[in-house]
Amino acid sequence: QVQLQESGPGLVKPSGTLSLTCAVSGGSIRRSNWWNWVRQPPGKGLEWIGEMYHSGSTYYNPSLKSRVTISIDKSKNQFSLNLTSVTAADTAVYYCASRDAYNPSFYGLDVWGLGTTVTVSS
Amino acid sequence: EIVLTQSPGTLSLSPGERATLSCRTSQSVNSNHLAWYQQKPGQAPRLVIYGASSGAPGIPDRFSGSGSGTDFTLTISRLEPEDFAVYYCQHYDSSPLFTFGPGTKVHIK
Repeated sequence: QVQLQESGPGLVKPSGTLSLTCAVSGGSIRRSNWWNWVRQPPGKGLEWIGEMYHSGSTYYNPSLKSRVTISIDKSKNQFSLNLTSVTAADTAVYYCASRDAYNPSFYGLDVWGLGTTVTVSS
Repeated sequence: EIVLTQSPGTLSLSPGERATLSCRTSQSVNSNHLAWYQQKPGQAPRLVIYGASSGAPGIPDRFSGSGSGTDFTLTISRLEPEDFAVYYCQHYDSSPLFTFGPGTKVHIK
């Protein structure tokens, strides 16, 4: 099973761009996994942001679609999240997560990173 | 978009007691697409149940899931101290792919 580790700035200015990276270890990003981002505002529930497959297929939450881009860097075995025009409402713990097309648990996210806190503030 | 509702919002129980958590969907769903997660403070969510009733690898058998249509249940047969956490149900669909319920907090009475 792969392991995931998020990294990126902990503080982003309003109207700026939030950029995070998720490093994949224990397996190739080219495998049968789908790569996801999920966030959790302080004291609140979970919100799915988007998903990408190494082939380039992407799916985004309609509520964030206009501001989100997920990309994969196969050479570095990592995937990234870009969220533009951020506001205080984007302050959250951001998790990367994955699911494996060959697992029976395919319709759930069975591997998660530890999460990284991002605060939007001037 | 299918909306998930969880009840109760908070459950106060003692170790050894049985916990019954409910998740309702706004329309009938494929039970294969229903999952449950456990989240402890400061930790990432952990997949507990997938396909409405299958335990994820490493999950103790005191955790069980059931249900179909619009009503799903997560049951913890005898609460252990490490089971006190927030539990989220999740549904997989075409758009958005993943939707989570608001969560049920199980805390020590």
